[in-house]
Amino acid sequence: AQKITQTQPGMFVQEKEAVTLDCTYDTSDPSYGLFWYKQPSSGEMIFLIYQGSYDQQNATEGRYSLNFQKARKSANLVISASQLGDSAMYFCAMSGGNQFYFGTGTSLTVIP
Amino acid sequence: EAGVAQSPRYKIIEKRQSVAFWCNPISGHATLYWYQQILGQGPKLLIQFQNNGVVDDSQLPKDRFSAERLKGVDSTLKIQPAKLEDSAVYLCASSPGQGAYEQYFGPGTRLTVT
Repeated sequence: AQKITQTQPGMFVQEKEAVTLDCTYDTSDPSYGLFWYKQPSSGEMIFLIYQGSYDQQNATEGRYSLNFQKARKSANLVISASQLGDSAMYFCAMSGGNQFYFGTGTSLTVIP
Repeated sequence: EAGVAQSPRYKIIEKRQSVAFWCNPISGHATLYWYQQILGQGPKLLIQFQNNGVVDDSQLPKDRFSAERLKGVDSTLKIQPAKLEDSAVYLCASSPGQGAYEQYFGPGTRLTVT
């Protein structure tokens, strides 16, 4: 079975500080992809970052970086220099075997 | 570049009625996805199309849900008859290909079944 686990229902971070959102996954496929999406209160899903299972380097996109630890099956999202506009739901997701799985999400609140 | 379009944005129906949702993906995107997102949960993939063929529909409740992708472009998702537990946001997404490509999501259709 393939699944994604996000154990933090809610997180708070001070503006301008860094925050790590946890994600672990379970798969027996050797080839898979890991994604993070942001869902603001408006409801649209916004792609943030992607990591392939064979990628040697951790992915980075601006203030977002993905801390990929393959042996631990974890793919944590690090947001540096948090901004008020970062307040949203964050979903970790995995692709593999024609399927696409999302976690239950973490609600991030940035405090001014 | 126009994004993924969905309609309607909101729909309220009574149980046992039928409903249809429409999605127009980004031009040129071969892969189209329909998701169901129940309040407080992550999206669940219902069906994936590659052009006008079904790649995966293993999580689609086929006794009441159906979907088609006309000529490999627009897609419709239908529920007949609806149940209370079908109340959710239905998201459509498209991507240039399968797997490693990021998905572009539409605004969703919020369905309430009373």
